[in-house]
Amino acid sequence: DAKTTQPPSMDCAEGRAANLPCNHSTISGNEYVYWYRQIHSQGPQYIIHGLKNNETNEMASLIITEDRKSSTLILPHATLRDTAVYYCIVRAPNSGYSTLTFGKGTMLLVSP
Amino acid sequence: DAGVIQSPRHEVTEMGQEVTLRCKPISGHNSLFWYRQTMMRGLELLIYFNNNVPIDDSGMPEDRFSAKMPNASFSTLKIQPSEPRDSAVYFCASSLMGSGEQFFGPGTRLTVL
Repeated sequence: DAKTTQPPSMDCAEGRAANLPCNHSTISGNEYVYWYRQIHSQGPQYIIHGLKNNETNEMASLIITEDRKSSTLILPHATLRDTAVYYCIVRAPNSGYSTLTFGKGTMLLVSP
Repeated sequence: DAGVIQSPRHEVTEMGQEVTLRCKPISGHNSLFWYRQTMMRGLELLIYFNNNVPIDDSGMPEDRFSAKMPNASFSTLKIQPSEPRDSAVYFCASSLMGSGEQFFGPGTRLTVL
């Protein structure tokens, strides 16, 4: 699976949009981009995933560049409860033999 | 849905003792994963099962670690004998086979003295 690069930490004011970047320049054409987050003392939580088109769900939006070498996770109105470590993961196509490799992620701190 | 259930939530034991961690996956899920998280090494995949069959145990640190999945609703991770360096949070996750959307349990915090 391709490696990802994320900033170690970011700050965001409550109510503002949080834009978390991820570089995955070695991504293969059939690999998906997944985002998870881990709130302190909890297990990781799936947020969203995509292949090439932008995706949106009730939690976040995922913007993937046209060349697919980077992506941005957007939390449109960050709250204090969004403070967590966010992981960007590249994963091979849906397969029972493909797993998730977690890196160090980005620690997002949302402040009042 | 109760989600992935892990027990115990906390375990404190002495070096040399056997430790057994338990996991009940979400009903209907046919893939199960065991992870370990430490400050030094982050979140690491230890082993995963598809349809109760171990697929990849290359992440298991050494022979002291073993995992079983006797049926679709139960899995164990055993450490025998335990060592202080095994202290970590151990997570179990489950998913539908092939899906990248894994559902994690609350974890078991293991402390080996």
